[in-house]
Amino acid sequence: GIQVEQSPPDLILQEGANSTLRCNFSDSVNNLQWFHQNPWGQLINLFYIPSGTKQNGRLSATTVATERYSLLYISSSQTTDSGVYFCAVELTGNQFYFGTGTSLTVIP
Amino acid sequence: KAGVTQTPRYLIKTRGQQVTLSCSPISGHRSVSWYQQTPGQGLQFLFEYFSETQRNKGNFPGRFSGRQFSNSRSEMNVSTLELGDSALYLCASSGAEAEAFFGQGTRLTVV
Repeated sequence: GIQVEQSPPDLILQEGANSTLRCNFSDSVNNLQWFHQNPWGQLINLFYIPSGTKQNGRLSATTVATERYSLLYISSSQTTDSGVYFCAVELTGNQFYFGTGTSLTVIP
Repeated sequence: KAGVTQTPRYLIKTRGQQVTLSCSPISGHRSVSWYQQTPGQGLQFLFEYFSETQRNKGNFPGRFSGRQFSNSRSEMNVSTLELGDSALYLCASSGAEAEAFFGQGTRLTVV
């Protein structure tokens, strides 16, 4: 099956700092999404981004499908950004393969 | 519009029992997929249903089954529970736009 690798696995930032999370995948995909898992376990949609660049407030994402990677940028981080960020890719039929996540801690 | 609703939120079962989890997708979405999340294995795909038909199935034993009803609501069933089935079970719904939206999950503990 497809391999999805996220880096770094853990990240500790001072509030106000910027960060870049990376997702590499081993095959062509139909869909790529970024999620933030809240402390109660729910996956919150950040971006649906099979290709190109999108921005939403302090967050932005870029997917270069031809080179099989995606980047999630977090600017001016806040303590509420803490949590685990997942990249998920879909080959077909709404079957997603998830990376192992990046655990982000933002300290005040 | 309402999001994806999973019930129950928490469940404690004894080894050997069976359990049924429910997922109501976003109105108009016809695809429902299920995932298991454990600390050791991460998020793994269980199965996906579209218009009452299972289209894809992950690498899980036959004790894990599911179904989808005509109103797109889905249930998954785990029979003969094992301690290793303790996990967070998440369902996702997708519509024509292909973006997947997840429910809050059901946290199952097997004792």
